[in-house]
Amino acid sequence: NAGVTQTPKFQVLKTGQSMTLQCAQDMNHNSMYWYRQDPGMGLRLIYYSASEGTTDKGEVPNGYNVSRLNKREFSLRLESAAPSQTSVYFCASSERPGNTIYFGEGSWLTVV
Amino acid sequence: GDSVTQMEGPVTLSEEAFLTINCTYTATGYPSLFWYVQYPGEGLQLLLKATKADDKGSNKGFEATYRKETTSFHLEKGSVQVSDSAVYFCALAKAAGNKLTFGGGTRVLVKP
Repeated sequence: NAGVTQTPKFQVLKTGQSMTLQCAQDMNHNSMYWYRQDPGMGLRLIYYSASEGTTDKGEVPNGYNVSRLNKREFSLRLESAAPSQTSVYFCASSERPGNTIYFGEGSWLTVV
Repeated sequence: GDSVTQMEGPVTLSEEAFLTINCTYTATGYPSLFWYVQYPGEGLQLLLKATKADDKGSNKGFEATYRKETTSFHLEKGSVQVSDSAVYFCALAKAAGNKLTFGGGTRVLVKP
């Protein structure tokens, strides 16, 4: 049962470097999401894709871009990493907006 | 805007003790309410949910009742185990919404 798979699990970046977090789901879900988790702040939505071919900004989109490559895959790109982007990133998916959301295991990103 | 407030923790309990984690919310309309659990090193898993007032969600011995009059969704378990040690997140979603709004999470530590 793969569910939502995201890579890499751990990454250390230098300030100004770029990287892409990959996410894939095998549940044939229409909607996909990227969240970041910071201590004491719960999870905050970065971007989401309600359906293939669409993307929308969430609560904290600045400094990020996303691509909904196909129905299965939704990537998150940091063009010029900053220390404030040190966080744990979670990809998630749901059958459609408003349905139960299923999460990946997380990607720990440190920007030095 | 919508918001979820939950007790910060950490909450430290002995095995077989009673657990309550308070959660209150602010939202317009009639949101669905959720409890997610995050075990160490893992992603979030849906624990239970309730979609309308007076509904009771239950799973793995945990229960929570959607109380619209007090805008609350408190999580309870009658007898906790060491394996219940985790971070618990309360969250809401609008009926036709695209995202979850999370509380800050409550860390629970159960000692043998």
